[in-house]
Amino acid sequence: QITLKESGPTLVKPTQTLTLTCTFSGFSLITRGVGVGWIRQPPGKALEWLIFIYWDDDERYSPSLKNRLTITKDTSKNQVVLTMTNMDPVDTATYYCAHRGNGDSLDYWGQGTLVIVSS
Amino acid sequence: QSVLTQPPSVSAAPGQKVTISCSGSSSNIAINYVSWYQQLPGRAPKLLIYENNKRPSGIPDRFSGSKSGTSATLGITGLQTGDEADYYCGSWDKSLSAGVFGGGTKLTVL
Repeated sequence: QITLKESGPTLVKPTQTLTLTCTFSGFSLITRGVGVGWIRQPPGKALEWLIFIYWDDDERYSPSLKNRLTITKDTSKNQVVLTMTNMDPVDTATYYCAHRGNGDSLDYWGQGTLVIVSS
Repeated sequence: QSVLTQPPSVSAAPGQKVTISCSGSSSNIAINYVSWYQQLPGRAPKLLIYENNKRPSGIPDRFSGSKSGTSATLGITGLQTGDEADYYCGSWDKSLSAGVFGGGTKLTVL
């Protein structure tokens, strides 16, 4: 059974760096083909694909946010960590982590964590 | 502005059929798989369709997917009030080297 859960701060100040952790179970990030990443959704708006990391350490970024995003994995802890620098109120959103499925689909999602950027 | 284009809303009566379109380009839908997600109010998205037309275990056959050229379509038959949700298409974009989503379609079952 695959599960993912996001954790991190609910409130961050403008210009600060956001760090979110995705803790997962039911699979390993050393298995060929596996990927885990992040998607966000501002309140009332659409999903936005952010960044993914794969079993072979390959990383893929949203071009519009590439300069602000970092992703790392800890295979011993079954965790993936997202770092986003220079947070702005427009970055207020629910942040989801997800497991890459067949055909680059996202077959398992975490429950999401709401991040509010405000002074 | 989302890379994939969906209608903002669709509606139909209970028991009827509805289709939701997703329009892309030669760098995404035309050459890569399409997936579809259902997002109930206040919930995380859920995978409905992957690889254009395949259903994960547990997804009823009322939900179907198809793809032609640079467009894809989600079909839902036998509409139920519980199907009221936002629906998103997704794909991989070769030019961006990143995943992309549509802007979402709100389904209302009248």
